[in-house]
Amino acid sequence: GDSVTQMEGPVTLSEEAFLTINCTYTATGYPSLFWYVQYPGEGLQLLLKATKADDKGSNKGFEATYRKETTSFHLEKGSVQVSDSAVYFCALSESGGSNYKLTFGKGTLLTVNP
Amino acid sequence: EAGVTQSPTHLIKTRGQQATLRCSPISGHTSVYWYQQALGLGLQFLLWYDEGEERNRGNFPPRFSGRQFPNYSSELNVNALELEDSALYLCASSLWVGTAGNTIYFGEGSWLTVV
Repeated sequence: GDSVTQMEGPVTLSEEAFLTINCTYTATGYPSLFWYVQYPGEGLQLLLKATKADDKGSNKGFEATYRKETTSFHLEKGSVQVSDSAVYFCALSESGGSNYKLTFGKGTLLTVNP
Repeated sequence: EAGVTQSPTHLIKTRGQQATLRCSPISGHTSVYWYQQALGLGLQFLLWYDEGEERNRGNFPPRFSGRQFPNYSSELNVNALELEDSALYLCASSLWVGTAGNTIYFGEGSWLTVV
């Protein structure tokens, strides 16, 4: 079945540091890929997405590129802020179909210190 | 435009009781999903409803059930509560998922504590 593997956390960075959170996936078809963010005490918010190979999703300074050859969708940000402290989830969905659902990675806790 | 709304925000129940959680999707969305986020277990898919029908179900026992109403709102029922049912229950909604990459939007969640 489908699966998503994220790098183990927690990740602790200083403000303005470069961020990479690795995400790889296993899927039978051609999935769409997502990054969701969960701030403390809140629900999930969509951060960015990509629906086909070589697509780059971007939002709020975060970027991720859909790499079919390496089955990866790594999240990057050039300069993190304290307000980026949250849990980040990589997820995939198979395109359409009768069994549609999001499959999530286990999440990576990011803490950014001033 | 209002997002996905859930109620109650917090719920405390005793083991063996029943809990009912409610969800209103984004206007125009016909699909509603329920996920469980238990400590240490990540996000687990529970149920997917669309147009009033249950379309898919995760690996949960039958005491987890729900329904979708004609206005597309939904409720999740958990019967015979067990301590391990304590979790954040997230509801999400989307347009019909026939299109690749259709975005699922999540609510703030309902915290269920079983004592």
